[in-house]
Amino acid sequence: AQKITQTQPGMFVQEKEAVTLDCTYDTSDPSYGLFWYKQPSSGEMIFLIYQGSYDQQNATEGRYSLNFQKARKSANLVISASQLGDSAMYFCAMRESITGTASKLTFGTGTRLQVTL
Amino acid sequence: DSGVTQTPKHLITATGQRVTLRCSPRSGDLSVYWYQQSLDQGLQFLIQYYNGEERAKGNILERFSAQQFPDLHSELNLSSLELGDSALYFCASSRGYVQGWDTGELFFGEGSRLTVL
Repeated sequence: AQKITQTQPGMFVQEKEAVTLDCTYDTSDPSYGLFWYKQPSSGEMIFLIYQGSYDQQNATEGRYSLNFQKARKSANLVISASQLGDSAMYFCAMRESITGTASKLTFGTGTRLQVTL
Repeated sequence: DSGVTQTPKHLITATGQRVTLRCSPRSGDLSVYWYQQSLDQGLQFLIQYYNGEERAKGNILERFSAQQFPDLHSELNLSSLELGDSALYFCASSRGYVQGWDTGELFFGEGSRLTVL
């Protein structure tokens, strides 16, 4: 079963508009972390935002916010005031603790966002 | 700049050969992760090390091996290379295990792009 599901292979948004990238996850672990990363065409992975499973408030980082709905197991990324430089691949990821110091990050298949004029 | 250094950035080699990819984590980070990203695919978790010891293993082939040294840098060895091993290999680091939980985000290097001809 997919641990992380991103159902939108591609999205278009107009400059200055807001866009929501969907992510749902599946875990039975009560302690987990959710991440969003941006991968521009140059290839590097850029950390955007993190949400811990016990965090009471939704995470925000500048123009990025994470809409965390624990009961629905969703962790959607909201980008406000889109810019041309936001055009990239976006990956949702989940970290589950395996044992003690062991953990791994599982990535979704990504959503390619294209910002248009 | 994430603070994670990977070398080489690009590598072209032939089938059957062996290569070593090197990663220096951010200063103070104890955990190192290796990921493989094939063309147009998400990131596949290979292996995690914490303070020199293997902690978690993903879909890492037997032809691949890794280690983390006392100075915390890590190497990923890929042997008997096949065409399908062509990919972007990422190293990531995190602070590690603090008070029962890994403290959060993973920081990725720029990746090593391996081309097997």
